[in-house]
Amino acid sequence: AQSVTQLDSHVSVSEGTPVLLRCNYSSSYSPSLFWYVQHPNKGLQLLLKYTSAATLVKGINGFEAEFKKSETSFHLTKPSAHMSDAAEYFCVVSDQLINTGTASKLTFGTGTRLQVTL
Amino acid sequence: NAGVMQNPRHLVRRRGQEARLRCSPMKGHSHVYWYRQLPEEGLKFMVYLQKENIIDESGMPKERFSAEFPKEGPSILRIQQVVRGDSAAYFCASSPRYGENTEAFFGQGTRLTVV
Repeated sequence: AQSVTQLDSHVSVSEGTPVLLRCNYSSSYSPSLFWYVQHPNKGLQLLLKYTSAATLVKGINGFEAEFKKSETSFHLTKPSAHMSDAAEYFCVVSDQLINTGTASKLTFGTGTRLQVTL
Repeated sequence: NAGVMQNPRHLVRRRGQEARLRCSPMKGHSHVYWYRQLPEEGLKFMVYLQKENIIDESGMPKERFSAEFPKEGPSILRIQQVVRGDSAAYFCASSPRYGENTEAFFGQGTRLTVV
């Protein structure tokens, strides 16, 4: 079984300050982990993904996340927030199906709404 | 290479009508997933299909909902006799047939409103 907990439903930061969006996961297998962003009335865009390679993952738009197995965490960070970063962010886990090597279903967290103020 | 295409983008149905949502996966992708996003909530898995096969439908409501992914043409999510509680955004995603990278590419969603 797999699950994801996003610890904050809303985060508000000032433009130019660091962003931290927290995510903890639970997985029975070797997980793949993702962060997706959803802007209002838009689809989902992949920010970054972890698939058992480097534990520090760099994504688009200056975001990065660190996979910490001992803490079962995959927090999303950005050094300096921009107004355009205001959106909903989803942490997602996918168990690797060992037998087939294909993707199992994705399990989404409930989302963190990031607000960026001037 | 076009992305995952969903249509329509917006769909309004009266209670009791049928809703048909279409999803064309990315070229070369044979795995399709449907997710539902209720207002103020995350996405919830509904069903996972490969061509002509339903692999996992553990997230599908037991009644009124069905999905297919035929050999030719798009995947269809069908909701019969819609009720107000079916109002949501329905997202489709696709992924390649094989590979350890299980990234799924999402469409822009269909927003269903039941009036």
